[in-house]
Amino acid sequence: QSVLTQPPSVSEAPRQRVTISCSGSSSNIGNNAVNWYQQLPGKAPKLLIYYDDLLPSGVSDRFSGSKSGTSASLAISGLQSEDEADYYCAAWDDRLNGVVFGGGTKLTVL
Amino acid sequence: EVQLVESGGVVVQPGGSLRLSCAASGFTFDDYAMHWVRQAPGKGLEWVSLISWDGGSTYYADSVKGRFTISRDNSKNSLYLQMNSLRAEDTALYYCAKDMAVRGFAYAFDIWGQGTMVTVSS
Repeated sequence: QSVLTQPPSVSEAPRQRVTISCSGSSSNIGNNAVNWYQQLPGKAPKLLIYYDDLLPSGVSDRFSGSKSGTSASLAISGLQSEDEADYYCAAWDDRLNGVVFGGGTKLTVL
Repeated sequence: EVQLVESGGVVVQPGGSLRLSCAASGFTFDDYAMHWVRQAPGKGLEWVSLISWDGGSTYYADSVKGRFTISRDNSKNSLYLQMNSLRAEDTALYYCAKDMAVRGFAYAFDIWGQGTMVTVSS
């Protein structure tokens, strides 16, 4: 069981918008930055969002992140077939003294 | 080109030992903390360990504490993971990853290797 809780799967039609939630606690999301990763099938993960809502260079602005209290969200607008991937949230946990990941969310573009 | 290349993954018996290596290039290695992250077959990502840019600080997941040791050789631009007392549940693809903060900890991994597979089986 993961420390951060994500829905196992989400699906939406092309060109629509989808959000993926990530729920934690005061020792992780509530007190530290949330980062999001995209893992395409058979590939290494890629940093998508860092420090809650910042985009690394080269990442499409169709991706956005937000945080409120002990929960965070990743939004993807204008869905495309190439967005089909697994998405993970992560944060430092002050109690565990380590990085904790969500269980991952599989996005299907219908 | 910024690159991380892992090596050392093999099939090993339960209770055995293994050392993974990660060769870094394209960036100033000794300016960045480094991490190991693993992924069991068909499962999610699990953070394993962190070492500071100078090797002075290390952190471990509870699942590997006391069995794994992270280290680095900045003169060789290399990161290592010594894995002892291996268990079946350590079977995974092991990634090395670069922290994005310069001489700090962002706990955000902006560069990943392609991973090296460790299989613990008799």
